[in-house]
Amino acid sequence: EVQLVESGGGLVQPGGSLRLSCAASGFTLSSYEINWIRQAPGKGLQWISYISGDDSMEYFADSVKGRFTISRDKAKNSLYLQMSNLSAEDTAVYYCARDAAAAGWFDPWGQGTLVTVSS
Amino acid sequence: DIQMTQSPSSLSSSVGDTVTITCRASQNIARYLNWYQQKPGQAPRLLVYAASSLQSGVPSRFSGSGSGSDFTLTISGLQPEDFATYYCQQSFSTPPDYSFGQGTKLEI
Repeated sequence: EVQLVESGGGLVQPGGSLRLSCAASGFTLSSYEINWIRQAPGKGLQWISYISGDDSMEYFADSVKGRFTISRDKAKNSLYLQMSNLSAEDTAVYYCARDAAAAGWFDPWGQGTLVTVSS
Repeated sequence: DIQMTQSPSSLSSSVGDTVTITCRASQNIARYLNWYQQKPGQAPRLLVYAASSLQSGVPSRFSGSGSGSDFTLTISGLQPEDFATYYCQQSFSTPPDYSFGQGTKLEI
């Protein structure tokens, strides 16, 4: 079964950092473009980042640019979202999602991991 | 930036009804429009991609149409499991700067 599982969420203080993981099963993560999308409590979906399959291209939404980075561990079939200088506005459920056909639609999605930024 | 606007924001219907949700882009996005369904506490699920292509495993009562800047998602013969929130998403932007509509909550 093709599946993505996020982990690493939790409570972090404003200005702090956190690293989220996205682990794949049923397919080779490095063969696909992967996106991160977040959803603040009770709000809609917001795309925040993209990484190409060969890692040659990375893009971020303006709201996180300069604070978030992406990396891969091919041996673990995993992707990481490193988040720094966090603020309350970053509080959200974070999803990783596979770009199903390198065409910008997302399938599957992970179950999400909650990041709460609060003192 | 491409802005996506859905209407209505919420909708009340009954089992067996046919409903239509509209999504408008702030510019021409050809057919780079996708639809997702999200139930409470769950991740979104892809329903329709490229404006009108039904994702594998999605019931045929779901259909998408449109091109340019105006798109619709139609659900024909609502089932109890269809009551959820629906989002449109544009995949036209290059480099990627994908954006979603604000969502349409479909309630009983």
